[in-house]
Amino acid sequence: DAKTTQPPSMDCAEGRAANLPCNHSTISGNEYVYWYRQIHSQGPQYIIHGLKNNETNEMASLIITEDRKSSTLILPHATLRDTAVYYCISRGGSQGNLIFGKGTKLSVKP
Amino acid sequence: DSGVTQTPKHLITATGQRVTLRCSPRSGDLSVYWYQQSLDQGLQFLIQYYNGEERAKGNILERFSAQQFPDLHSELNLSSLELGDSALYFCASSAQGMDYEQYFGPGTRLTVT
Repeated sequence: DAKTTQPPSMDCAEGRAANLPCNHSTISGNEYVYWYRQIHSQGPQYIIHGLKNNETNEMASLIITEDRKSSTLILPHATLRDTAVYYCISRGGSQGNLIFGKGTKLSVKP
Repeated sequence: DSGVTQTPKHLITATGQRVTLRCSPRSGDLSVYWYQQSLDQGLQFLIQYYNGEERAKGNILERFSAQQFPDLHSELNLSSLELGDSALYFCASSAQGMDYEQYFGPGTRLTVT
């Protein structure tokens, strides 16, 4: 699995977009990028994933650079309930387990 | 609510003891995963079962074992408990072919004293 690097923490004002970066410079061609989040002591929650195209769902958007070495998770209008640790994970599509790093602790402030 | 249930929510036991954690996956999900989350190690994958068979193994100690039953619920058995086993234990499940989208239960908080 490719190693991912994320900033340890970020702040965002409520109502503004939260842009969470992830570096995965060693990603290989068949490895996807997945994002999960964990609200304090709850089980992690799947957000979105992508291979090379940008993706959007009801929760967030995922922007992957053309060289696939980095990506950004965008929460378009952050709310206080989005305060959580966000994990960027890179792995092959056929693998079962997820390898969680330290993630980014996002604090959304009023 | 993810649809994954775990019991018990909290467990306090003494060193050297044995405990069993239980997980019921979402209806229809064949895969079950166990993860351990401690303050110093973060979220660590332990083991995966698919339709009753072990599919993948991670950082699971020999003192720990798991199984998945015909009704697809799973149990994680932890024996000869040590203080360092104190952690949150999460179970997750996923639908066939969608193991990247795992649904996590609320976890069992184990405290070993």
